[in-house]
Amino acid sequence: DQQVKQNSPSLSVQEGRISILNCDYTNSMFDYFLWYKKYPAEGPTFLISISSIKDKNEDGRFTVFLNKSAKHLSLHIVPSQPGDSAVYFCAASYSRAGKSTFGDGTTLTVKP
Amino acid sequence: NAGVTQTPKFQVLKTGQSMTLQCAQDMNHNSMYWYRQDPGMGLRLIYYSASEGTTDKGEVPNGYNVSRLNKREFSLRLESAAPSQTSVYFCASSEGNDRRGGRYGYTFGSGTRLTVV
Repeated sequence: DQQVKQNSPSLSVQEGRISILNCDYTNSMFDYFLWYKKYPAEGPTFLISISSIKDKNEDGRFTVFLNKSAKHLSLHIVPSQPGDSAVYFCAASYSRAGKSTFGDGTTLTVKP
Repeated sequence: NAGVTQTPKFQVLKTGQSMTLQCAQDMNHNSMYWYRQDPGMGLRLIYYSASEGTTDKGEVPNGYNVSRLNKREFSLRLESAAPSQTSVYFCASSEGNDRRGGRYGYTFGSGTRLTVV
């Protein structure tokens, strides 16, 4: 039973437009949600997180939205840049457990 | 540079051989983790250490052992490698198993690409 799902394996957008990456989860105990970005042959790097008590968190071009009732979160990148082309992983954790569960990732391609 | 260092970066093993993957962090983080990533899949947790002196199984612990040598170092051992363990292994660290760790996420190493033939 996969607790964190990213149903779109890939996404392609034009430079300057908005990229929206989606993630669904099943475990209501999760209280922190995170997004990571991964380039080939590198480890993932942390992008942005959101607590379950919030519904939005912004950091520059990146915004994460959380809909707890739907158990859904999304990452918005505006405007998208070619350097944003990477694999994006959604992850969820609950603070007592101290570990994160990852989705399978979405490959974002931003075309110039 | 501060961060998580993994060695080796690449390794080829024969079935049945053993090896230890090394991981060290210099950020004074309490928690450390070992994940594996198979092609087209996300990261799956093998083992983790919430603090120095403790280790716990993750989602896919079979065939692996770990040692939290001190606060800085967390090693992963394959006692008898199998082709199913061909994967990319990532070590990560975080500030702890509380909301601070959740807020700031993990810092990952660059990975060890392991092939078992």
